[in-house]
Amino acid sequence: GDSVTQMEGPVTLSEEAFLTINCTYTATGYPSLFWYVQYPGEGLQLLLKATKADDKGSNKGFEATYRKETTSFHLEKGSVQVSDSAVYFCATGGNQGGKLIFGQGTELSVKP
Amino acid sequence: DVKVTQSSRYLVKRTGEKVFLECVQDMDHENMFWYRQDPGLGLRLIYFSYDVKMKEKGDIPEGYSVSREKKERFSLILESASTNQTSMYLCASTIGGSYEQYFGPGTRLTVT
Repeated sequence: GDSVTQMEGPVTLSEEAFLTINCTYTATGYPSLFWYVQYPGEGLQLLLKATKADDKGSNKGFEATYRKETTSFHLEKGSVQVSDSAVYFCATGGNQGGKLIFGQGTELSVKP
Repeated sequence: DVKVTQSSRYLVKRTGEKVFLECVQDMDHENMFWYRQDPGLGLRLIYFSYDVKMKEKGDIPEGYSVSREKKERFSLILESASTNQTSMYLCASTIGGSYEQYFGPGTRLTVT
């Protein structure tokens, strides 16, 4: 079945550092790919998405490009802020009858 | 904006009690989902529903049941709570045909 693998956390960065969180997926066909973010004490929010190969999703300075050749959807941000401290989840959907398959989550902590 | 609400943010119950977790969405979404979130395991799907009175088992349905009597409300029931059901429970909804899920704030359940 479909699956998602994320880099393990926690990831600790200084403010204004460059962020990459790796995500690879296993799926048949052409699934949609998502990044969700969970701030402390809250539910998940959609951060960005891409629905076909080579699409780039972007939001709040975060970007991720759907790479079918490497089955990857890595999350990047050029300059992180303390307010970006959260848990980030990569997910895939499209082959599971309306369901999303989530990675295990990567905790990001940004220090001033 | 889509709003998904959950009946409690924090809940403490005793082993063997019957527990009801309620979720309400206000956007007329067809699909609703219940997940549990545990450190290192990400989100695991318990049950989902595509329509009123319809339900499908997710990946970890054992020890849980659900009820969907109205389109906007999806209830998760722990028939006899056990300590291994201590977890964060997240509800989500999505419009039919879409994989973009909207999440509630979560209920942190402790079973003692």
